[in-house]
Amino acid sequence: AQSVTQLDSQVPVFEEAPVELRCNYSSSVSVYLFWYVQYPNQGLQLLLKYLSGSTLVESINGFEAEFNKSQTSFHLRKPSVHISDTAEYFCAVTISNDYKLSFGAGTTVTVRA
Amino acid sequence: DTEVTQTPKHLVMGMTNKKSLKCEQHMGHRAMYWYKQKAKKPPELMFVYSYEKLSINESVPSRFSPECPNSSLLNLHLHALQPEDSALYLCASSQPIRFSGDTDTQYFGPGTRLTVL
Repeated sequence: AQSVTQLDSQVPVFEEAPVELRCNYSSSVSVYLFWYVQYPNQGLQLLLKYLSGSTLVESINGFEAEFNKSQTSFHLRKPSVHISDTAEYFCAVTISNDYKLSFGAGTTVTVRA
Repeated sequence: DTEVTQTPKHLVMGMTNKKSLKCEQHMGHRAMYWYKQKAKKPPELMFVYSYEKLSINESVPSRFSPECPNSSLLNLHLHALQPEDSALYLCASSQPIRFSGDTDTQYFGPGTRLTVL
């Protein structure tokens, strides 16, 4: 079975500073990877995903993530954060022919002025 | 449009009540999901419907009863819940698995915050 480890439970960061959220996965087969964001008192929103193709994927709000098969990682980065990026971020993995998403424990990002 | 809607937003119920949570999507997705999320934890899968048939039940207690009346709607019927069932209940949808090697993205609704007294 596949699993996900998010290496940082909390990441405090100042506004306009860069941020990196680390995600490592374990699987014996090819995987599909996702980052979801959950703002306070809301549901999960898809931030970006890797299904195939280019290993660098980008979101419309400035986040990017790179799939690294050799390091089994899918780290999320943003070069300059805003107060509005304060949220919980979940990395998730699935495999072919499987409805089940395996989520990491989540990383709480708190952006301070 | 990647919108999944859920009603109600908040629900407070006693342990003897019967209530239902509703979920709707108009993306043409034929797979729909119920998740339970406790505070500061990731979502936990409860049920999966594919083409309106129950595909996965993650050993959920029978006091939770899912229903998929058509391809756009998903209900979760609640009866005789316990205080520990208080949580955020999330609905999601995706295209179903149709071919070997297939998978697709799950899109989530805003959730129903359930409190059991």
